[in-house]
Amino acid sequence: AQTVTQSQPEMSVQEAETVTLSCTYDTSESDYYLFWYKQPPSRQMILVIRQEAYKQQNATENRFSVNFQKAAKSFSLKISDSQLGDAAMYFCAYRSAYSGGSNYKLTFGKGTLLTVNP
Amino acid sequence: DAGVTQSPTHLIKTRGQQVTLRCSPKSGHDTVSWYQQALGQGPQFIFQYYEEEERQRGNFPDRFSGHQYPNYSSELNVNALLLGDSALYLCASSFFSPSRQYFGAGTRLSVL
Repeated sequence: AQTVTQSQPEMSVQEAETVTLSCTYDTSESDYYLFWYKQPPSRQMILVIRQEAYKQQNATENRFSVNFQKAAKSFSLKISDSQLGDAAMYFCAYRSAYSGGSNYKLTFGKGTLLTVNP
Repeated sequence: DAGVTQSPTHLIKTRGQQVTLRCSPKSGHDTVSWYQQALGQGPQFIFQYYEEEERQRGNFPDRFSGHQYPNYSSELNVNALLLGDSALYLCASSFFSPSRQYFGAGTRLSVL
């Protein structure tokens, strides 16, 4: 079974600064997807960024980028120029890429609470 | 285009009761997944429905059951509620092929 570990329960950053959230995972599969989701107090999970394991290039979405190290099974999220609206719970998640009805579930870490200080 | 909608937003029940939570998927999506998120934890996969059948199930007891209707909307039923069932229940919709899952805002269930 796959597992996702987020070792930082809480992180804080000054507005306009850069912060990196860590995530490690364990899997025996070679093809999979990794995600970072943001969950603000409104509770709705919002997809921040997605990485496909077979792509060596790190994904980037505006101020959000990842550092994907497949051999180390590490998937960190970097938030540049942090804004007050970035404050939320951030979850790292894994999903298998193999077809078949048993492989589409998302496996989440426990989350990292990010505080942005003005 | 409405996203994923869940009802009710908040629910209070007592131990032993039964509860039904509802989810309407994003327009065009045919697959609904349910997750349980306990306080301070990440979501845990309960089960997934496609073509009105349960396609995959997580490590949850039979007290948790579901249904999907021909219009793709779904229900999550929990029988014989326990205090430990108190959690945020999230619904996510997608196409059946591996694709992005869109989440609703969840139903907060409190069991007293």
